[in-house]
Amino acid sequence: AQSVTQLDSHVSVSEGTPVLLRCNYSSSYSPSLFWYVQHPNKGLQLLLKYTSAATLVKGINGFEAEFKKSETSFHLTKPSAHMSDAAEYFCASNTGGFKTIFGAGTRLFVKA
Amino acid sequence: GAGVSQTPSNKVTEKGKYVELRCDPISGHTALYWYRQSLGQGPEFLIYFQGTGAADDSGLPNDRFFAVRPEGSVSTLKIQRTERGDSAMYLCASSYDPVAVGGITGELFFGEGSRLTVL
Repeated sequence: AQSVTQLDSHVSVSEGTPVLLRCNYSSSYSPSLFWYVQHPNKGLQLLLKYTSAATLVKGINGFEAEFKKSETSFHLTKPSAHMSDAAEYFCASNTGGFKTIFGAGTRLFVKA
Repeated sequence: GAGVSQTPSNKVTEKGKYVELRCDPISGHTALYWYRQSLGQGPEFLIYFQGTGAADDSGLPNDRFFAVRPEGSVSTLKIQRTERGDSAMYLCASSYDPVAVGGITGELFFGEGSRLTVL
């Protein structure tokens, strides 16, 4: 069975400093992996996805993630946080069917 | 519209009442999903439609929950005899290509959700 674990429920950074949001997956098969962002009172929006091509994936708004099979990880990073990055971030996994499984989410706080 | 539309955005009801939540997917998307998101949690899969048929309803918590998509476009999630534990955000998503081809799957396009509060 597939599962997704987001290691931090909350992350707080200062504006202009790097962001790291951690995600580990568990799957019997090579999954497709996704990061979604959810701003207050908004739907989830795709940031980036990994689908067995390049292991370093670049997404929107300067975010990127690296797929590491040996560590079963897909951590999300950004070199410099902006106030507008404050939101809830969800890591998700799909092992090739129709069911996408989501982690519990990480709330990112950005301090001025 | 350009995106997934969900109505109502907010619904407050009393325990025991019947509720319908509507989802209008992106035009041309054959796949439609319902998820439930409780406070502080990630979206939890409820049901998936491919066209008019429910291809997988294994996530529906019990027989009080039912969903339809009669014409392969708009879907309605129906909850009978609501309970306080049903209070959550109900999210709808649609996509082009739900079935994996060589491990490649498409992204989900989400609506803004319907927040249900059962008093």
